[in-house]
Amino acid sequence: EAQVTQNPRYLITVTGKKLTVTCSQNMNHEYMSWYRQDPGLGLRQIYYSMNVEVTDKGDVPEGYKVSRKEKRNFPLILESPSPNQTSLYFCASSEDGNQPQHFGDGTRLSIL
Amino acid sequence: SQQGEEDPQALSIQEGENATMNCSYKTSINNLQWYRQNSGRGLVHLILIRSNEREKHSGRLRVTLDTSKKSSSLLITASRAADTASYFCATDQINTNAGKSTFGDGTTLTVKP
Repeated sequence: EAQVTQNPRYLITVTGKKLTVTCSQNMNHEYMSWYRQDPGLGLRQIYYSMNVEVTDKGDVPEGYKVSRKEKRNFPLILESPSPNQTSLYFCASSEDGNQPQHFGDGTRLSIL
Repeated sequence: SQQGEEDPQALSIQEGENATMNCSYKTSINNLQWYRQNSGRGLVHLILIRSNEREKHSGRLRVTLDTSKKSSSLLITASRAADTASYFCATDQINTNAGKSTFGDGTTLTVKP
């Protein structure tokens, strides 16, 4: 089954404790992207990747890092999480940057 | 502010009625997409319409695009309770890096049985 898998689905952690949210897709898609969703603000793009070893900033990249060492994986790294990064995070993939995106089920992060 | 803005923010209708949601954007685009999100879940793609297209259909969904007004509408005909969800438009902009997507704030649709 074609899918985008995020882990963990839920995480409560404390300020400053590094965390990684993994994202994996099984569709051999070139393009992957991370978004955060906050009430009243819709989805905002954090980082995206057009291909392996190619990443670009979205609208809200501050406080986040990403890497794309393999085509299927696109982890989101919070080196020093802060409470304002409490949010619902989505990973997505598509064949290229202009095609429909497939979304994961989301990761709900709470930073205390 | 967001490139795409949906209107209305919330819409409540009876089963069987039609639902219309609108999306406005600010700069020229390559294409515009509509997505649906059930509460707390990931987004599901509905329709993609390219800048040189004016209308597309998919089942009970009809999307129009007016590039002169920088707006799009999503019409759901003969709505069902299962259509209850949030609907988002997403745009990519000409003259920006391919892959940069901008989503609107969404319209929350409630269909009462």
